[in-house]
Formats: sequence, C-alpha cells, structure tokens
Amino acid sequence: DVKVTQSSRYLVKRTGEKVFLECVQDMDHENMFWYRQDPGLGLRLIYFSYDVKMKEKGDIPEGYSVSREKKERFSLILESASTNQTSMYLCASSLSLGDQPQHFGDGTRLSIL
Amino acid sequence: DQQVKQNSPSLSVQEGRISILNCDYTNSMFDYFLWYKKYPAEGPTFLISISSIKDKNEDGRFTVFLNKSAKHLSLHIVPSQPGDSAVYFCAARRSAGANNLFFGTGTRLTVIP
Repeated sequence: DVKVTQSSRYLVKRTGEKVFLECVQDMDHENMFWYRQDPGLGLRLIYFSYDVKMKEKGDIPEGYSVSREKKERFSLILESASTNQTSMYLCASSLSLGDQPQHFGDGTRLSIL
Repeated sequence: DQQVKQNSPSLSVQEGRISILNCDYTNSMFDYFLWYKKYPAEGPTFLISISSIKDKNEDGRFTVFLNKSAKHLSLHIVPSQPGDSAVYFCAARRSAGANNLFFGTGTRLTVIP
C-alpha cells in the first residue's frame, strides 16, 4: 500500500511566522502535490513537483513556496504566515506513467492566530 | 474558474438504495477522471477512475459512468451502506501537460440506516 505521511496532524502558529509542512511518501513516486481544502471550495492545488528539485505553481501559489531535495520528501513553506492561510493542507503523490491516481496523506490542520 | 463542478453539496439516501453522485466538467482536454471519498479528519481516499476511452467502469458496489458529449460523469453506489457516508470529490486530469488534478467542491453523502 502507498503511504503518504504528513509530519503533523494539527499545527498552531502565529501571524508572521515561517511555517514548514513536511510530506514523505514511500512508493518512489515521481510526482508530489500540495493542496489546501477549504469549505465550499474543494481541493485547490498550491504547488506540485514532478522530479527532484523541480517545482511548478498550481492555482494558488501566492504566499507559499516548496522544496524537493529528495524524491520521497516534499515540503511546503509559508514564508510569513497570515490568518487567511488557516486551512487543511493535503499532500499527495503519484506515478508519472499512465493513468495513475494520486494518493493522499491524512492532512495537516493549520491554524494561524 | 471551476472546471470541475459538483452542483449538489449534499445527498441523503436510505440504506440499501442507490446513491448517484454527479459531476460536470468544462474542459474538453480532460482524459482521466477519478472519484475520491473523504472522511472527516482524514485525507481523500481513491475510490474509482475512468479513462476517456471508456464510458463505464465498475468495481464492486461502485460504478462510474462517463458521458463525454455531455461532459458529465456520475458515480453509482449500489447498495448504499452507512459506512459510505462521507464527502465525495470528483477530479479530472488534462491529456497534455502535468499530472495535476482539478477537483470539484464535493458532495456530502449521508446514508440513513
């Protein structure tokens, strides 16, 4: 079974802090993704990566950056956290070849005070 | 611009009956469609998918139907069980470009015992 692990289930930070969300997958997947889920808006893509050190902006990249130094790990960084970044953050991974589903972690509920 | 739409935020069905969840899309370049199920405080779980070369895919109690001319897909659950109560997300992928998915806003299914 594919395992996508997010480092924290719940996180509380203060406005202006630099926040790191970590994600690790154990299936040697090429692609990794960061989404946020908000009520009534579904899942929105923040950033994705299709290889080590490669990254692409998603639909809502503003205020975020990412890092992928190793194939199994994809980090989401909030450079200066703001209250409108309070959300559920979901990491996913997938294989590149063919029709392959994305597999998700359990999410990090982030609150910015 | 929501390219994948789930117009019903919620659906209630009696146990044992059929649940039909609907999804519409606007982008004719989508070639791969997926359904995910999400319980509270967990990440989305992949349920079933369908390629645009097919019009039906079945897996146990779950069947997905694709109508390309109408840009519409549906998920049928027969028979519905209380454990099926969750939020269901429809997602789609473009034929060209990266493997990122476009998600609908979700439909909350409640199966009444």
